[in-house]
Amino acid sequence: EVQLVESGGGLVKPGGSLRLSCAASGFTFSNAWMNWVRQAPGKGLEWVGRIKSKSDGEATDYAAAVKGRFSISRDDPQDTLYLQMNSLKAEDTAVYYCAKGYSSGLDYWGQGTLVTVSS
Amino acid sequence: SYVVTQPPSMSVAPGETATITCGGNNIGSRGVHWYQQKPGQAPVMVIFYDSDRPSGIPERFSGSNSGNMATLTISRVEAGDEADYYCQVWDSSSLVIFGGGTKLTVL
Repeated sequence: EVQLVESGGGLVKPGGSLRLSCAASGFTFSNAWMNWVRQAPGKGLEWVGRIKSKSDGEATDYAAAVKGRFSISRDDPQDTLYLQMNSLKAEDTAVYYCAKGYSSGLDYWGQGTLVTVSS
Repeated sequence: SYVVTQPPSMSVAPGETATITCGGNNIGSRGVHWYQQKPGQAPVMVIFYDSDRPSGIPERFSGSNSGNMATLTISRVEAGDEADYYCQVWDSSSLVIFGGGTKLTVL
């Protein structure tokens, strides 16, 4: 059974940093392209970024709203995905989901972790 | 950048058919994926590549995509189908693009 479990969310002040983790199991993590998607309170889904597999160079892509502030990485031996968030703004407040890529879609999602940016 | 448009809401009576649309310029040339999100839960993929169903998704869920419109159809709607539904495409410049979501209310 595929499982994705996010952690690391919490309250952070504007301008601060936070690192989210996503522990994966039930599939060959090292072969998967992994994504982060966020959802602001009461709003729709917003893609944050993606990291390709090691065999595809671990290339990363980001949404314009977070490019230069957020960074995605992975630890394949630990089956863990990370999202490093710097220079956080109030508009980054959201539930952050990790999601497994399936070609151009997202076939499995974690339950999410809430990040609140507020003074 | 590419934009996909969904109606914000729709309602349907139990047992009827719900048709949720996702509009975009020549969207028929792209693969469209659909997700269901119930309150307080993570999204679940219900249709991939226009019309394929992941394992475990009821046959009542179907999809199509042609021209400027993709459609998610839910037949014999049940109370448990009440949720937000999002379409998603991939674009070479913006990568993963979601529609704004459609809130389906079962009357």
